Amino acid sequence: EAGVVQSPRYKIIEKKQPVAFWCNPISGHNTLYWYLQNLGQGPELLIRYENEEAVDDSQLPKDRFSAERLKGVDSTLKIQPAELGDSAVYLCASSGQGANTGELFFGEGSRLTVL
Amino acid sequence: GEDVEQSLFLSVREGDSSVINCTYTDSSSTYLYWYKQEPGAGLQLLTYIFSNMDMKQDQRLTVLLNKKDKHLSLRIADTQTGDSAIYFCAESRYSSASKIIFGSGTRLSIRP
Repeated sequence: EAGVVQSPRYKIIEKKQPVAFWCNPISGHNTLYWYLQNLGQGPELLIRYENEEAVDDSQLPKDRFSAERLKGVDSTLKIQPAELGDSAVYLCASSGQGANTGELFFGEGSRLTVL
Repeated sequence: GEDVEQSLFLSVREGDSSVINCTYTDSSSTYLYWYKQEPGAGLQLLTYIFSNMDMKQDQRLTVLLNKKDKHLSLRIADTQTGDSAIYFCAESRYSSASKIIFGSGTRLSIRP
């Protein structure tokens, strides 16, 4: 079974440029998450989707960040314009119903460097 | 708000036991987790424990929970080079994964 797939793995851009990250969750997982992981820190939730609906976006900086999950499967996270402080790893995760452990399945992440 | 704290680094000799400690502040935490992150990879769930348990053992892993002190530990017996990674403590009030709060991670390095 394929895990959570993210692309690109690495992205280097200049500040003020736009950037987009893509995530394909594990098949059948209704819940999709985008996390931000700064160097030396744990993941911090940006947004959580239940199917197509963003049910928790309270930590998403909406002035420059946007996300969508149009058909309840793949998701895209966009930053426009990027700032130097956005350099980090953007992790996508998914979870399924029925499991009572609360396990998150993470992708390998997209490492963003803003110059 | 909720907070999860861990020490940043731990170095152990190969074959020794590793003990990684974590403290959390939310007394309503119901589920406590240990995730492992290898270089260049995402996090992977190692083990978890419910708050009504004191201990959980799974092969080389032993999780101890002191709910009174809000202290969680992960012991890895017979530590191997493949155990080198960052270990994240995490907690949640809920059985779903919707509100998991992660610590900053403890980097475990193994010396020969």
